[in-house]
Amino acid sequence: SPEVTQDPAVSVALGQTVRITCQGDSLKTYYATWYQQKPGQAPVLVLYGKNYRPSGIPDRFSGSSSGDTASLTITGAQAEDEADYYCNSRDSSADRLVFGGGTKLTVL
Amino acid sequence: QVQLVESGGGVVQPGRSLRLSCAASGFSFSSYVMHWVRQAPGKGLEWVAVISPNGDNKYFADSLKGHFTISRDNSRNALYLQMNSLRDEDTAVYYCAAGYDRLEYWGQGTLVTVSS
Repeated sequence: SPEVTQDPAVSVALGQTVRITCQGDSLKTYYATWYQQKPGQAPVLVLYGKNYRPSGIPDRFSGSSSGDTASLTITGAQAEDEADYYCNSRDSSADRLVFGGGTKLTVL
Repeated sequence: QVQLVESGGGVVQPGRSLRLSCAASGFSFSSYVMHWVRQAPGKGLEWVAVISPNGDNKYFADSLKGHFTISRDNSRNALYLQMNSLRDEDTAVYYCAAGYDRLEYWGQGTLVTVSS
C-alpha cells in the first residue's frame, strides 16, 4: 500500500481557495514536499519544509501540517495553477523517498 | 543556469539492459544528493533511486532492488542509471533530479520504452 496518499482530483473556482492534502504515517516525522507538474513538462518544486517557497513561486501557495496530514493551499487560484500536484516525503526507512499518487487540480 | 539533461532512452526489448545518463551544469554537482524518478505513461511520479554526493551511499525503491544500479562521476558532473532485465512495466519517462529531501532541480526526462 502507498506510504503517502492524495485525493486523485480536486477542483476550484477561479480566484477561490483550494487545499490539496497528503496523508501518511511518515508525515508525522517528516515534512512533505510539493511539486507541480503541467502536461508534457517536468515537475517543479513549489513548497518544502515547514512552509517555504522556492524563488519564483507565487505567495498564493502555502503549506501546513497536522499529525499525519500535510496540506498545500492555493489562495486565489489562477488558471495557470491547473496542473497535477504531487507530495513526497521520506519513507519509514528514512533512506528513501516516496511520492503520493498525485492530485489533478482543475480551475473552473 | 542550472541544467540537467538526461539521455540514453529509447526502445529496448524485454530482458535487455539500458544505461541512462544525466549531465549536470550550473550548480555544484558534487555537493548534491542525486535521484532518479520515473513516470509511466499517464501515471504518477515514482521515486527510483538516490545516491549521496560522494557516491558511497545508494538506496533504491524496494521493487527495484537488484534490478537497477545508480552511480555518478563527479569529475564529469554526470549521473547514471543502469537498468538490467528490463520489463514492460519499466516503460516510463526517467527524470534525474537534484536535492536532499526536496528535489530542487529536474531534467526534462528521457523516455524508455520496453517493447518487443
